Amino acid sequence: GDSVTQMEGPVTLSEEAFLTINCTYTATGYPSLFWYVQYPGEGLQLLLKATKADDKGSNKGFEATYRKETTSFHLEKGSVQVSDSAVYFCALSFNTGGFKTIFGAGTRLFVKA
Amino acid sequence: NAGVTQTPKFQVLKTGQSMTLQCAQDMNHNSMYWYRQDPGMGLRLIYYSASEGTTDKGEVPNGYNVSRLNKREFSLRLESAAPSQTSVYFCASSILAGGRTGELFFGEGSRLTVL
Repeated sequence: GDSVTQMEGPVTLSEEAFLTINCTYTATGYPSLFWYVQYPGEGLQLLLKATKADDKGSNKGFEATYRKETTSFHLEKGSVQVSDSAVYFCALSFNTGGFKTIFGAGTRLFVKA
Repeated sequence: NAGVTQTPKFQVLKTGQSMTLQCAQDMNHNSMYWYRQDPGMGLRLIYYSASEGTTDKGEVPNGYNVSRLNKREFSLRLESAAPSQTSVYFCASSILAGGRTGELFFGEGSRLTVL
C-alpha cells in the first residue's frame, strides 16, 4: 500500500547547523508531496510542496526536491534557528475522488542556542 | 481570517460518554477531514467529506460518526467513548476535491482524554 517513511527523531542541532530530514515514499501513480510543520500547541501548517518529478519546493529557507527515481523528498535547510524547533511531517496526496493524504510519523527537531 | 476553527480545545470524558467535536471553515473549501494524532503514528484519517452531502470512511473510522452539516461545518461524534480514543483530533479542509494538489489547512486541534 501507499506509505511515507521519514527518519525517526528527535533530531537535536545547534543553531546555524545544516538540517536534513529524510523522507521516502511508496505510492501508485504520481502523488503530490508535502512537508508540513507543527509548532508546539498548534495545528499543522504547510511548509512546502512539489507536485511533479524534479520540482523543488522552498519556503522560509527550507527546500525539498521531488525525486521520482529514488522516491524521496528530503527536507533541507542550510542554517537552522531556534525558532525552527517543531515537528516536521512528510506527506503525499493524490486525488481519489476526494483527497487521500498519507502522513509520515513526524520528526521532532530541537535547535539549541 | 479564522481559517479552520475547532471546538472544544480540551475535553475529558469518562468511558461510555458521548461528545461531538465541531469544526467550521471560512475558506469556501469543498473537502473537509478529521484526523487523529497519536505519538509515533503521525496523523491517521478518520473520516472525510469530499464535498457537501458526502462522507466517507478513512483509515480508522470505528467508534466515530460524522456529519457534514453544510459546506462550512463538519462534526465528529464519539457515541460511546473508549480510552483508546484518547488522542489529539485535527480538522482540516482543502480547496478542491477535483484539483491535483490537495494541500490541507488545519485547525489548532482538540485534545481529548477518555478516563
